[in-house]
Amino acid sequence: QVRLVESGGGVVQPGRSLRLSCAASGFTFSTYAIHWVRQAPGKGLEWVAVLSDDGSIKYYADSVKGRFTISRDNSKNTLYLQMNSLRPEDTAVYYCAREGLNAYYSDYWGQGTLVTVSS
Amino acid sequence: SYVLTQPPSVSVAPGQTARLTCGGNNIRSKSVHWYQQRPGQAPVLVVYNDNGRPSGIPERFSGSNSGNTATLTISRVEAGDEADFYCQVWEASNDHWVFGGGTKLTVL
Repeated sequence: QVRLVESGGGVVQPGRSLRLSCAASGFTFSTYAIHWVRQAPGKGLEWVAVLSDDGSIKYYADSVKGRFTISRDNSKNTLYLQMNSLRPEDTAVYYCAREGLNAYYSDYWGQGTLVTVSS
Repeated sequence: SYVLTQPPSVSVAPGQTARLTCGGNNIRSKSVHWYQQRPGQAPVLVVYNDNGRPSGIPERFSGSNSGNTATLTISRVEAGDEADFYCQVWEASNDHWVFGGGTKLTVL
């Protein structure tokens, strides 16, 4: 079955960096675009970034552009999110979400990993 | 950028019909998708492309899209339907996903 497992979250000071991972299994990872979506405590969903199946096309939300970098290693079935210059407002649960084939929605989500930016 | 507007909360009695709205400028020109998120859990797709239903989602969940409003309709509401619901579209101009602010469905 399709599985997405995020890891790498934790508590980090403002201005520092963190790298999240999303390990995929149960499907042909290299065939799908994957998104990062975050959710601040008690708030709604916020789209963060997307990376195409082959890693050649990527887009970012304005709120993270220039600070976050999305990447993937299809040989390891893993998606990454490198987060630099972290701010308190980046505190959230970060989900990876598979984009359906020929679709503009997510058909599977991971369980999320919590990132807390605090001094 | 494109904005989706959802009412913060909707309440309905068990067995009744809940209608959750998602407003956007000429939203009928876009495909709207809906997710259900129960407390402490990841979102789950319940309707895609305005009115498609993924496998495993009960027929009680249906969607429509017209004018400036898309609607998720939940018939014969059950206590287990209580959750936050989010609408989502794809913004073609910059290849972004856009989410509505979410509606908390309370089953009385």
